[in-house]
Amino acid sequence: DTEVTQTPKHLVMGMTNKKSLKCEQHMGHRAMYWYKQKAKKPPELMFVYSYEKLSINESVPSRFSPECPNSSLLNLHLHALQPEDSALYLCASSQVFVRGLGNTEAFFGQGTRLTVV
Amino acid sequence: SQQGEEDPQALSIQEGENATMNCSYKTSINNLQWYRQNSGRGLVHLILIRSNEREKHSGRLRVTLDTSKKSSSLLITASRAADTASYFCATGYIIQGAQKLVFGQGTRLTINP
Repeated sequence: DTEVTQTPKHLVMGMTNKKSLKCEQHMGHRAMYWYKQKAKKPPELMFVYSYEKLSINESVPSRFSPECPNSSLLNLHLHALQPEDSALYLCASSQVFVRGLGNTEAFFGQGTRLTVV
Repeated sequence: SQQGEEDPQALSIQEGENATMNCSYKTSINNLQWYRQNSGRGLVHLILIRSNEREKHSGRLRVTLDTSKKSSSLLITASRAADTASYFCATGYIIQGAQKLVFGQGTRLTINP
């Protein structure tokens, strides 16, 4: 199984709503990521979890709250978003980097297309 | 900013021709990776080249890396209509044991039948 599964595929939410994006992988990867991608732009890193601990937070506003309940799951909790937060949210996973060993290619899910109204 | 640049931004060629995309970056890297994205959905990993490697092949793909010039190129030979997609280079940095991927702006490749 080389899939990263994201749910839902599409989400429309109001600015006062609370919603969550979910991501799941069963490849045994211990690094998981959230990226945000605006139309015609490259993905931008938001968060990195390594061994279920938050390793990198790219100064993301607190209205985005990540959670890694176990090694297979990654959530992104959304609250009080703004219309400019509308984007494609991509989850990815990879092996944790180990110096001298190889491969840290990332496997991406199909994304959740979020619209904030 | 660590973000790199890609050129061209868009490339349109005839099926069967070769396509070359270039990527430049700004700071020292651990690795450089190329990804493909169809229609704004998930990214698919194509190839990874480590900072101590100069060239790598995978099927119809050839990637080069010049760390002295901080640049990389992706060559797709004998292009097919199915290669139509956006292609991104991503530079890999290791921070506190975790990998940070920084994506370039991307090249939109169109293969005309």
